[in-house]
Amino acid sequence: AQKVTQAQTEISVVEKEDVTLDCVYETRDTTYYLFWYKQPPSGELVFLIRRNSFDEQNEISGRYSWNFQKSTSSFNFTITASQVVDSAVYFCALSPPPEYNNDMRFGAGTRLTVKP
Amino acid sequence: DAGVIQSPRHEVTEMGQEVTLRCKPISGHNSLFWYRQTMMRGLELLIYFNNNVPIDDSGMPEDRFSAKMPNASFSTLKIQPSEPRDSAVYFCASRRTGTRLGSSYNEQFFGPGTRLTVL
Repeated sequence: AQKVTQAQTEISVVEKEDVTLDCVYETRDTTYYLFWYKQPPSGELVFLIRRNSFDEQNEISGRYSWNFQKSTSSFNFTITASQVVDSAVYFCALSPPPEYNNDMRFGAGTRLTVKP
Repeated sequence: DAGVIQSPRHEVTEMGQEVTLRCKPISGHNSLFWYRQTMMRGLELLIYFNNNVPIDDSGMPEDRFSAKMPNASFSTLKIQPSEPRDSAVYFCASRRTGTRLGSSYNEQFFGPGTRLTVL
């Protein structure tokens, strides 16, 4: 069974603070994919990043960085120098390879509020 | 490039009425997904299609829900008859599904959603 846990329901920070959103996953697959999506107040779901289980390199994209650790089954997301526009609900998701099935599981989401 | 297109963006209807939600996937994508998002249950996969063929509809709540994909560029999700508990945001997503691991074939791109309210 696959499961994604985002234990932080809501986080509130002041602009320019760094913030880390936690994601812990469970899977029996040896090959899998992890994702982060952003859902701003406007409601759409925006793809941020995909990570393969065989690639544990951390990734940085501007103020965003992702820390993938298979040893702890975690795929955490850090926003550096947060901005008000970062306010959104962030979802972590887990999927087996698409050629197996399409059972993508989403976490419950973390609502991030960045105050000016 | 145009993203996933959904219509209508908002739908308000009365209990018992038929509701049809529409989706146009990204051109060239061969997988299409319907999700429902509610506060109580989060994001749930309802059904998905590969190459216009329904693969898994185990997430469809009950027989009142049906989905079709008559061609590669169009899909519908129908609720008949609708009930107040069907009120939710319905998302359509598409993906280019390939067979090479490590490729860019795996992420789903979501439409803006349809907010359905059943009174």
